[in-house]
Amino acid sequence: GAGVSQSPSNKVTEKGKDVELRCDPISGHTALYWYRQSLGQGLEFLIYFQGNSAPDKSGLPSDRFSAERTGGSVSTLTIQRTQQEDSAVYLCASTQLKGTGRYNEQFFGPGTRLTVL
Amino acid sequence: SQQGEEDPQALSIQEGENATMNCSYKTSINNLQWYRQNSGRGLVHLILIRSNEREKHSGRLRVTLDTSKKSSSLLITASRAADTASYFCATLSGGSNYKLTFGKGTLLTVNP
Repeated sequence: GAGVSQSPSNKVTEKGKDVELRCDPISGHTALYWYRQSLGQGLEFLIYFQGNSAPDKSGLPSDRFSAERTGGSVSTLTIQRTQQEDSAVYLCASTQLKGTGRYNEQFFGPGTRLTVL
Repeated sequence: SQQGEEDPQALSIQEGENATMNCSYKTSINNLQWYRQNSGRGLVHLILIRSNEREKHSGRLRVTLDTSKKSSSLLITASRAADTASYFCATLSGGSNYKLTFGKGTLLTVNP
């Protein structure tokens, strides 16, 4: 079956422009995550969606960042008025709740490399 | 804030040698996971160890967990050039059933 897909794979934009990044999770996975990874760093949690529950937005770094998940499947991460410090790889992951009530492994997409000039 | 901290930050070995990477964390956990990342792109899940487990094997991978020391190690035996990648530990903390916290990773280079 298909894995997690993300588009675009690379995005170069000018400072001040808005960008939209897309994530298609694995079919049937109810949980979806967005992470940001700056060069040489670990993953920074941004936002989490689970079914119809209110998302956990605690990791969004500013109000310029927002995300939606329509129909419990595809998600878009929007960054408004981009800044140079937003340059990073944005990774999406999906997973499924286990019978233990906890999540196990996450399945990652290939990421979108965002460069803000 | 980072929960897991990997050590060393970078490791270079020859093909056929074993590679050991360590991870320390700060709070109680439900489970600890190791991921591999090639070329700064998507991560691939390698192995998961639960808080009540001490050791786990998967192929050439061996993971240990010491909850008293809040640490874990990942051993890759008989390394291959294809094992060259960044390796991250991630913890599912005791207070959450969904949020993984990742360390900064260990960059492993296996020289042919």
